[in-house]
Amino acid sequence: GEDVEQSLFLSVREGDSSVINCTYTDSSSTYLYWYKQEPGAGLQLLTYIFSNMDMKQDQRLTVLLNKKDKHLSLRIADTQTGDSAIYFCAPNPGNNRKLIWGLGTSLAVNP
Amino acid sequence: GAVVSQHPSRVICKSGTSVKIECRSLDFQATTMFWYRQFPKQSLMLMATSNEGSKATYEQGVEKDKFLINHASLTLSTLTVTSAHPEDSSFYICSASDSGGSYEQYFGPGTRLTVT
Repeated sequence: GEDVEQSLFLSVREGDSSVINCTYTDSSSTYLYWYKQEPGAGLQLLTYIFSNMDMKQDQRLTVLLNKKDKHLSLRIADTQTGDSAIYFCAPNPGNNRKLIWGLGTSLAVNP
Repeated sequence: GAVVSQHPSRVICKSGTSVKIECRSLDFQATTMFWYRQFPKQSLMLMATSNEGSKATYEQGVEKDKFLINHASLTLSTLTVTSAHPEDSSFYICSASDSGGSYEQYFGPGTRLTVT
């Protein structure tokens, strides 16, 4: 079945850039989403990219998509302590609105 | 925009009782709602998908008689955990999607269920 893989942990210093990587298996994904989950909370949609795009920038966030390698990344510029959270990439593999979830990457931002 | 609420945020109940969790889309019409379960340090596990006015579609391994889902209107879906047991203790999260073409899901804040 469809699968999503992410590194489980990432630690950066405040002010540095963070890059969270994701690989997925389903090549038919039309939309690929990035969600953020803070402890004990629901998920917040950060951004998404359409499969015919290579890059999307939204303020401090840059999403890169390599469709050939099925690789998605999220770059957070000038990472702040408030960015500490778990980040999930979630491809939508078809038109049934379901998203595919990996285990997420826990980002720790150190002062 | 695209705000989803859940109620209650936390609930403690005794084994054998039933608990209802509400999920509401506050400023848009949710044609599709999803119910997830999340264990500590785990990913989201999709339990079921519900479309307004029709029966929910349950994922494999999820007991539909135990987790009753009702999506009676375009702004409200409910999940009832029947005859709850301690192993049902978990974080339950709903999400809602409108009829737009980009398929994004907007999530509620989650409900922490503890069964004693």
